[in-house]
Amino acid sequence: DGGITQSPKYLFRKEGQNVTLSCEQNLNHDAMYWYRQDPGQGLRLIYYSQIVNDFQKGDIAEGYSVSREKKESFPLTVTSAQKNPTAFYLCASSNGRYQPQHFGDGTRLSIL
Amino acid sequence: SQQGEEDPQALSIQEGENATMNCSYKTSINNLQWYRQNSGRGLVHLILIRSNEREKHSGRLRVTLDTSKKSSSLLITASRAADTASYFCATDTGANSKLTFGKGITLSVRP
Repeated sequence: DGGITQSPKYLFRKEGQNVTLSCEQNLNHDAMYWYRQDPGQGLRLIYYSQIVNDFQKGDIAEGYSVSREKKESFPLTVTSAQKNPTAFYLCASSNGRYQPQHFGDGTRLSIL
Repeated sequence: SQQGEEDPQALSIQEGENATMNCSYKTSINNLQWYRQNSGRGLVHLILIRSNEREKHSGRLRVTLDTSKKSSSLLITASRAADTASYFCATDTGANSKLTFGKGITLSVRP
């Protein structure tokens, strides 16, 4: 079955540590996205990529980094510069402009 | 920035009743989309309505769009307990492939 796989489901970060969240899709979609969701809030865009080897900052990119070396993969690194990383992180993909987005089941990141 | 604003923030209804949720937005759009999110899960796309469309149906879902009022509504008919979830509207301005999401509506359907 085609879909988006995020791993791990739960992740804990120590102070000063970088952590990487995985996102893999087998939908053959060009565009991929990372969102952050805080309790009772909507989704805020962190980074997005419309094509391999290219990505753009979203609304809240500070403290995060991404790469897009393969069409299927769009990992997100939460760096130590992100002072409030506790949130639910969602990855999505779409088949281009004016198309709906397909979401993974998220990674919940907490601070130890 | 969050363009879509849903109303109400929370809705509680009895199974079998209809649920109406509203979304308002600020700038011109190419299309508006509705998504559902079950607790602790990712979002699931429900329906997309383009700016030149006024109404769209999908099963028990009916979406309307009024571009003059910059608003949309999602109607779920004959609700079921399984419809309990958060519902989000998202706007696509067409400038790029980004969507802007509202804060969501929490729908509780009592058995």
